[in-house]
Amino acid sequence: KQEVTQIPAALSVPEGENLVLNCSFTDSAIYNLQWFRQDPGKGLTSLLLIQSSQREQTSGRLNASLDKSSGRSTLYIAASQPGDSATYLCAINTGGFKTIFGAGTRLFVKA
Amino acid sequence: EAQVTQNPRYLITVTGKKLTVTCSQNMNHEYMSWYRQDPGLGLRQIYYSMNVEVTDKGDVPEGYKVSRKEKRNFPLILESPSPNQTSLYFCASSSGLGEQFFGPGTRLTVL
Repeated sequence: KQEVTQIPAALSVPEGENLVLNCSFTDSAIYNLQWFRQDPGKGLTSLLLIQSSQREQTSGRLNASLDKSSGRSTLYIAASQPGDSATYLCAINTGGFKTIFGAGTRLFVKA
Repeated sequence: EAQVTQNPRYLITVTGKKLTVTCSQNMNHEYMSWYRQDPGLGLRQIYYSMNVEVTDKGDVPEGYKVSRKEKRNFPLILESPSPNQTSLYFCASSSGLGEQFFGPGTRLTVL
């Protein structure tokens, strides 16, 4: 059964630091992987989508990579800011819109 | 504005009283899905739909029904709600293997 794991579960960093969030999945048969952020009590905001044939995607200070064969994705955040404080979720599409989410990484960026 | 809307946003009800949470998208997406989010369990998929009249079960379909009679709408029906269905519910839509866009969420409490 496909499982998605995110490490670390929580992270606290000083402002300006570069950081990496990790997402791993047990079965490499995925169609795509999407990273989201979620602010407390709010909905999900899409950050980056990587198709299974792609290796990485970039948007501003964010860069997401995908290594399907090893079952890993990373989200790199450059020059972190207090406004980046949120929970970051990864989700994989295993086909036909069946989607499995990781439990998330709670990020706190200290000013 | 491209969006996914859900109604109601907040609902308190009693055990056994049938309810419907509506979801509508204006992006002409083929795929739509319902999730529930619970502390410690993360986001779990309830049902998804690949097109009109085509639906399939996610990981936690028990106690829920869905229908897709129009492309833009995907209501979630709880025929006999129970307290264990108290949760935060999200609707999402996507075109094919593109990004998933989420609605703002519906916070349901079943007493």
